[in-house]
Amino acid sequence: SAVISQKPSRDICQRGTSLTIQCQVDSQVTMMFWYRQQPGQSLTLIATANQGSEATYESGFVIDKFPISRPNLTFSTLTVSNMSPEDSSIYLCSVDGSTENYGYTFGSGTRLTVV
Amino acid sequence: AQSVTQLDSHVSVSEGTPVLLRCNYSSSYSPSLFWYVQHPNKGLQLLLKYTSAATLVKGINGFEAEFKKSETSFHLTKPSAHMSDAAEYFCVVSGYTGKLIFGQGTTLQVKP
Repeated sequence: SAVISQKPSRDICQRGTSLTIQCQVDSQVTMMFWYRQQPGQSLTLIATANQGSEATYESGFVIDKFPISRPNLTFSTLTVSNMSPEDSSIYLCSVDGSTENYGYTFGSGTRLTVV
Repeated sequence: AQSVTQLDSHVSVSEGTPVLLRCNYSSSYSPSLFWYVQHPNKGLQLLLKYTSAATLVKGINGFEAEFKKSETSFHLTKPSAHMSDAAEYFCVVSGYTGKLIFGQGTTLQVKP
């Protein structure tokens, strides 16, 4: 299955600032997905990132708040903009490594705390 | 549209006893279904997946799940719980777009 390197693993940020999270995959993948996991909750899809096109955002998420880049088939970034304490969450990227024996692979996550 | 419901937010078992984590799904398409586990401060790990092959799916660490279309269920079981099984478990459905929809999670507590 694909291996994802995600960084930073954690950060503490001041409100009003922005943080960019990076995900590097060890193989070429068509789609990359970004998820948010708020404290004590499940994962919610933020957007789907395809190389060469605009990301597709889920209801409740907007590009101005969560701009995404996908410059090639192995890399993507998610920026959390103009942060507030409500943005404190774990952010994860994911790719479809589906084969007969493998499912979706997730990065190790970025634990963001906004103060 | 797809959705998934985990019927128990918290399950507590004694070490050595069976584990049952319940999941119901809704899907307009033939779904792919997954169970993931998340240990505290760790990433998500795939336990098993169903993709329309055998209805009884065997996963890692002794876990298995049975796909029952008539009941729209995909319950996760393990014959004998181990202390290391204590974690958060997510039932997940995937649609044709590749988007994953997560259940709300079940916290498994294993008592000595």
